[in-house]
Amino acid sequence: QQQVKQSPQSLIVQKGGISIINCAYENTAFDYFPWYQQFPGKGPALLIAIRPDVSEKKEGRFTISFNKSAKQFSLHIMDSQPGDSATYFCAAGFGNQFYFGTGTSLTVIP
Amino acid sequence: EADIYQTPRYLVIGTGKKITLECSQTMGHDKMYWYQQDPGMELHLIHYSYGVNSTEKGDLSSESTVSRIRTEHFPLTLESARPSHTSQYLCASSESLGKIYEQYFGPGTRLTVT
Repeated sequence: QQQVKQSPQSLIVQKGGISIINCAYENTAFDYFPWYQQFPGKGPALLIAIRPDVSEKKEGRFTISFNKSAKQFSLHIMDSQPGDSATYFCAAGFGNQFYFGTGTSLTVIP
Repeated sequence: EADIYQTPRYLVIGTGKKITLECSQTMGHDKMYWYQQDPGMELHLIHYSYGVNSTEKGDLSSESTVSRIRTEHFPLTLESARPSHTSQYLCASSESLGKIYEQYFGPGTRLTVT
């Protein structure tokens, strides 16, 4: 059973547009929700993360919105750039147990 | 950039061969992990370790084994490779302090078993 469901599978956005990726989880024990960015040939790298005691976290052009009651969280990339083209994974977990989404392939068209 | 290394980066090997995928980190992290990554699929945890001489199996059943004799080193071994083992293998590490959960990933090993 998939612990974290991620959508969409792929996303094409024009340069300067907003990219939005959504994730949903079931286990209310999860207390850490990171987003990872992965470029081809590289391992995933932590982009931004949030804990359930806040509803939003912003770092530069990247924002996580968190809805605890709906058990959903999303990544917003403002002013998307071609350099943002990568695969994005959401994850959820606690302690040492993390469950990842299936990834979203983002392409930003110049 | 994280100081976690994996070798080899790419490996093509025949069925039945024994292989060891190497993973090393220089950050002094106690916790280390091995994930399997296939296209369009989530990362699956196959092994993890909380420290020296500590190893556990993850959620995904795997025919591989791991060892943790030194803090910085966490190799993964397949005794007899099969085509079903073809995948990308990612190693990661994290600190043990409090609730810091950030995992640092290596670049991965792309394994193809023919």
